[in-house]
Amino acid sequence: ETGVTQSPTHLIKTRGQQVTLRCSSQSGHNTVSWYQQALGQGPQFIFQYYREEENGRGNFPPRFSGLQFPNYSSELNVNALELDDSALYLCAGGLAGVRETQYFGPGTRLLVL
Amino acid sequence: AQRVTQPEKLLSVFKGAPVELKCNYSYSGSPELFWYVQYSRQRLQLLLRHISRESIKGFTADLNKGETSFHLKKPFAQEEDSAMYYCALSGGGGSSNTGKLIFGQGTTLQVKP
Repeated sequence: ETGVTQSPTHLIKTRGQQVTLRCSSQSGHNTVSWYQQALGQGPQFIFQYYREEENGRGNFPPRFSGLQFPNYSSELNVNALELDDSALYLCAGGLAGVRETQYFGPGTRLLVL
Repeated sequence: AQRVTQPEKLLSVFKGAPVELKCNYSYSGSPELFWYVQYSRQRLQLLLRHISRESIKGFTADLNKGETSFHLKKPFAQEEDSAMYYCALSGGGGSSNTGKLIFGQGTTLQVKP
């Protein structure tokens, strides 16, 4: 049912670098949400995009930014990586107007050294 | 503050025993609660939501606004129920109505043969 894909599956970066994570949702998903999941924790909301604009943000600094494209794809960009950014990053496609219909991708595991 | 608490990190039961995964929440307003499940090597997926008042895979959950709880129950556990379970609260979004999800830390359910 869920056609949300993410790339890459794993990534290793060093502190201070920048990273771009990608998400491809399925046709009809007009919202995309990004979550950070640290080891042993539940996912934490980073932000959501709707109609290619940011539509709500969690408690994350501005160095976390995103883009949503018309072809149901999305990017999460993180600048000036810190060690604490090491986590699993999840994206979720959704359908505006149908509350809480969010379909998750498999995640990208980021390790910052 | 909006918060979801799952007090148990691990719940271990024998096959056929009843299961109750606890979830308490803090929210000012009318909450929308969900249970998500993650089976081994699979992505996070919606199990059930309180507004649907449905039973999925034998699981039910009742929203108790007085006790601010949304416990997940199943009368007879099966080995295939072994997974990580997350309780989540819809914190409301922007114009999309999809809203961000606030997750608890998760409870690992282990069903022993």
